[in-house]
Amino acid sequence: GAGVSQSPSNKVTEKGKDVELRCDPISGHTALYWYRQSLGQGLEFLIYFQGNSAPDKSGLPSDRFSAERTGGSVSTLTIQRTQQEDSAVYLCASSQAGVGDTQYFGPGTRLTVL
Amino acid sequence: AQSVTQPDIHITVSEGASLELRCNYSYGATPYLFWYVQSPGQGLQLLLKYFSGDTLVQGIKGFEAEFKRSQSSFNLRKPSVHWSDAAEYFCAVAPSGGYNKLIFGAGTRLAVHP
Repeated sequence: GAGVSQSPSNKVTEKGKDVELRCDPISGHTALYWYRQSLGQGLEFLIYFQGNSAPDKSGLPSDRFSAERTGGSVSTLTIQRTQQEDSAVYLCASSQAGVGDTQYFGPGTRLTVL
Repeated sequence: AQSVTQPDIHITVSEGASLELRCNYSYGATPYLFWYVQSPGQGLQLLLKYFSGDTLVQGIKGFEAEFKRSQSSFNLRKPSVHWSDAAEYFCAVAPSGGYNKLIFGAGTRLAVHP
């Protein structure tokens, strides 16, 4: 009965480097979401995966951001050529398939870009 | 565009006092409505949600919320606040009939005085 886990919990990187953030959803949850929480923008939706359907990428702020979900389970959010404005807490959530099902959030990854 | 407004950025109450946190949404139809709480260093935890039916919804930790269609509001209430309720509270909406992309308000930070 583990919850959503994310790794690393903290990541400090230099401007221009690439970073990968990992999310392990709750077992059996077919929907997975990424959000970003920053001081200036609050909580923003980034991307949504549902089963084998094409992901909804409408919240990704630029083409430097991408995400994949392998085997319908683990997801990786990749940020290329990081910028200081990418500094934020990146939150992952998962839910069962139905519309309106509760999203369960992980503890987040705090990303600091120097 | 859909939006969520939490007019109060900070609220301070005394322990044992009642609490009401305001939330207004802008959406063409009745969305799904949620309240989440985020304690320091913790992930987001769902307090309660409204989809349809009884407009007074009971949640965990003694919280309740009332949906008022005429006012496009979903205010969170608690009759007697405990020191452990100090946290940040987020109201969120998801479009009904669609998937579960959450749109969050800016949050209200609650401080509790002994």
